[in-house]
Amino acid sequence: DAKTTQPNSMESNEEEPVHLPCNHSTISGTDYIHWYRQLPSQGPEYVIHGLTSNVNNRMASLAIAEDRKSSTLILHRATLRDAAVYYCILRDTQGGSEKLVFGKGTKLTVNP
Amino acid sequence: EPEVTQTPSHQVTQMGQEVILRCVPISNHLYFYWYRQILGQKVEFLVSFYNNEISEKSEIFDDQFSVERPDGSNFTLKIRSTKLEDSAMYFCASTPNAQGRDGYTFGSGTRLTVV
Repeated sequence: DAKTTQPNSMESNEEEPVHLPCNHSTISGTDYIHWYRQLPSQGPEYVIHGLTSNVNNRMASLAIAEDRKSSTLILHRATLRDAAVYYCILRDTQGGSEKLVFGKGTKLTVNP
Repeated sequence: EPEVTQTPSHQVTQMGQEVILRCVPISNHLYFYWYRQILGQKVEFLVSFYNNEISEKSEIFDDQFSVERPDGSNFTLKIRSTKLEDSAMYFCASTPNAQGRDGYTFGSGTRLTVV
């Protein structure tokens, strides 16, 4: 799977928007961009995914750069419950591997 | 919202003993996975399973590990002779489509402690 680069940590204040960046300069045309998060002592949780167009769901929005070499996960109003490690992962739809490859992710701290 | 269910939530076992970790994936999902996370480390892929066969496995998944789907709902991970280094959180996951077009749903995990 193509690699992604994320900041190790970010901080936000409660009820403010959070923009979590991810760089994936070696992305291929068939890679989906997936985001997961892991709250303390829990399993990874699916957040959102997309291919080319920006995506919105009830949890977050995903903004994908036009050249697809980067993307941003947007939490519109951070809550204390959003404090977690956020993982940006590329899934190649054409390759033989089915697995998600987790990096270290971005640890988001939300201040009250 | 459909969930992946894992049991038990915590298992303590003696070194050398066999353990079976259980998972009930989401009912209409076809692809199943086990991952593990040693305390303070990354989430690591162990094995993927489709159509009653292992479709991919990592170097970690050696002969002491096996997976099975004994009936239409359960998906199990067996560790034959546990070692201290097998202590970790084990997560089961499932997805309807393995091509990345759908998200993967993870269970809340089983904490395995080998003493």
